[in-house]
Amino acid sequence: GDSVTQMEGPVTLSEEAFLTINCTYTATGYPSLFWYVQYPGEGLQLLLKATKADDKGSNKGFEATYRKETTSFHLEKGSVQVSDSAVYFCALSDLNDMRFGAGTRLTVKP
Amino acid sequence: KAGVTQTPRYLIKTRGQQVTLSCSPISGHRSVSWYQQTPGQGLQFLFEYFSETQRNKGNFPGRFSGRQFSNSRSEMNVSTLELGDSALYLCASSAGAKTRDSPLHFGNGTRLTVT
Repeated sequence: GDSVTQMEGPVTLSEEAFLTINCTYTATGYPSLFWYVQYPGEGLQLLLKATKADDKGSNKGFEATYRKETTSFHLEKGSVQVSDSAVYFCALSDLNDMRFGAGTRLTVKP
Repeated sequence: KAGVTQTPRYLIKTRGQQVTLSCSPISGHRSVSWYQQTPGQGLQFLFEYFSETQRNKGNFPGRFSGRQFSNSRSEMNVSTLELGDSALYLCASSAGAKTRDSPLHFGNGTRLTVT
């Protein structure tokens, strides 16, 4: 079945560092891909999405490109802030289901 | 527009009891999904409802059940609670019939502790 694998954390960075969180997927069809973020004590929030190959999703300085050839959807941000500290989830959705990766905890230190 | 509302925010129950959690989706959203989140297992899908019908179900025992009302509000029930049921239970709504392009909008969850 469809599945999502994302890099294990935790990830600790200094403020203004470059961020990459790797995400790869396995799917039989043509899923949509998402990144969600979970701040402490809250539910998940949609960060960005891409619905077809070569689409780039972007929001709040975060970007991810849907790469069909490498089945990847890596999350990047050029300069992280302390306020970006959270857990990030990669997810895929086909017609019937949404599957989440295990989550990657990011801590940004001043 | 109000977001997804889950009540209560925290619950403490003892083994063997039952519990009911409530979820009010975003106005106009007809699909409601439930997830269990634990540190060890991550996010696990429980079930999804659309227009009062269960459309999809995850791999959980029959002690976990749910329903959706005509106003799209949803409840989930866990009977005969076990220690392992301690978790954050998240409800999410979406605008469409869970199509591939419809993102989920999550509530802040109900933290259930079973003692």
